[in-house]
Amino acid sequence: KAGVTQTPRYLIKTRGQQVTLSCSPISGHRSVSWYQQTPGQGLQFLFEYFSETQRNKGNFPGRFSGRQFSNSRSEMNVSTLELGDSALYLCASRGDPPTVSNGYTFGSGTRLTVV
Amino acid sequence: AQSVTQLGSHVSVSEGALVLLRCNYSSSVPPYLFWYVQYPNQGLQLLLKYTSAATLVKGINGFEAEFKKSETSFHLTKPSAHMSDAAEYFCAVSEVRDDKIIFGKGTRLHILP
Repeated sequence: KAGVTQTPRYLIKTRGQQVTLSCSPISGHRSVSWYQQTPGQGLQFLFEYFSETQRNKGNFPGRFSGRQFSNSRSEMNVSTLELGDSALYLCASRGDPPTVSNGYTFGSGTRLTVV
Repeated sequence: AQSVTQLGSHVSVSEGALVLLRCNYSSSVPPYLFWYVQYPNQGLQLLLKYTSAATLVKGINGFEAEFKKSETSFHLTKPSAHMSDAAEYFCAVSEVRDDKIIFGKGTRLHILP
């Protein structure tokens, strides 16, 4: 079965712009999480969505937001981009029941570069 | 609060030698523990997970890890390194009551010919 699909793979944006990243989970998975990966901070949890509701949120400013659609696809949005937002953004989905013991299946990520 | 410490940001081993990547965790309740591998320009792939069943967990690609509560450790091992094992490895922890996973900083494994 298909894995977690993230689009686009690469993105270059200018400071002050906004960006939307997309994630399609594994078919049947209703839980989608987002992580930011940078060389300095490592992997940091952004948020998790389950059945269109945000279930958990990390310590990121309000410029970072997300949503989940009825087909479980998820988008994350970053407004007013800053240079420090340059990172690899990873999406992951979990099976049902969406407990942590299932572990995440990750997509290949979207590499965002802010110039 | 839960946390993960991976000892050594870079580890080099010769091809055919033992691989040992160290991970210590901190958790106030019995944790779930994971090891993930990341190849260049790729996402994370789950190697193995501990969820309070057997303390010795076998994963993919010949890797295994042992949960030691007394040492709060979950070290990753592989008896014989292969060139294809060169990658970055992440240890992660989560508590049963919390859905998010906390990752360590990662250890980059280099395989020497």
